[in-house]
Amino acid sequence: GAGVSQSPSNKVTEKGKDVELRCDPISGHTALYWYRQSLGQGLEFLIYFQGNSAPDKSGLPSDRFSAERTGGSVSTLTIQRTQQEDSAVYLCASSIISQANYEQYFGPGTRLTVT
Amino acid sequence: AQSVTQLDSQVPVFEEAPVELRCNYSSSVSVYLFWYVQYPNQGLQLLLKYLSGSTLVKGINGFEAEFNKSQTSFHLRKPSVHISDTAEYFCAVSENRGSTLGRLYFGRGTQLTVWP
Repeated sequence: GAGVSQSPSNKVTEKGKDVELRCDPISGHTALYWYRQSLGQGLEFLIYFQGNSAPDKSGLPSDRFSAERTGGSVSTLTIQRTQQEDSAVYLCASSIISQANYEQYFGPGTRLTVT
Repeated sequence: AQSVTQLDSQVPVFEEAPVELRCNYSSSVSVYLFWYVQYPNQGLQLLLKYLSGSTLVKGINGFEAEFNKSQTSFHLRKPSVHISDTAEYFCAVSENRGSTLGRLYFGRGTQLTVWP
């Protein structure tokens, strides 16, 4: 079946602008994760959603970052007033449930470049 | 918090040679261990995982890894590599407890380059 999809695949934006990144998880997966992959920091956890529970936002680097998940499916990661250090590949993953032994399936990522 | 260390950032090797990519983690609790591979311009793909049971885990594309609890290691091996194995490899750990359930902690990655 279809995997995790993300859009756009590439986004170039000017410093100070807001951006929205979209993730469509695998149908039926109740857990959704956002990670960030950057040269300086490697792969970092940002946030995860599990069903109707409150999301775990502990990885968000600043209050300029926020995410929501509508209807338990599609998720949007929003970065306000983008900075150059926000340039990275943003990866989304989903799994059947949010437990440590369940495989996370990753999307291809959105490459964000802040100029 | 978890810490995952991949000791080699780059590993060059000739085709058909064996390879070992090293991974060590720090944790005082029960963990699950994973290796992911990332081909250029693609997302992460699971190679193999250790959940419990036999410490030697076999994955896709001929890779295997061994969990060593006393050394807190989970090294990835392949007896004979192909050029198509050229990619970046990530070791990841997930804690089996509490509020961090399911969250993955990643190493910095190891770029494996296979030369003809």
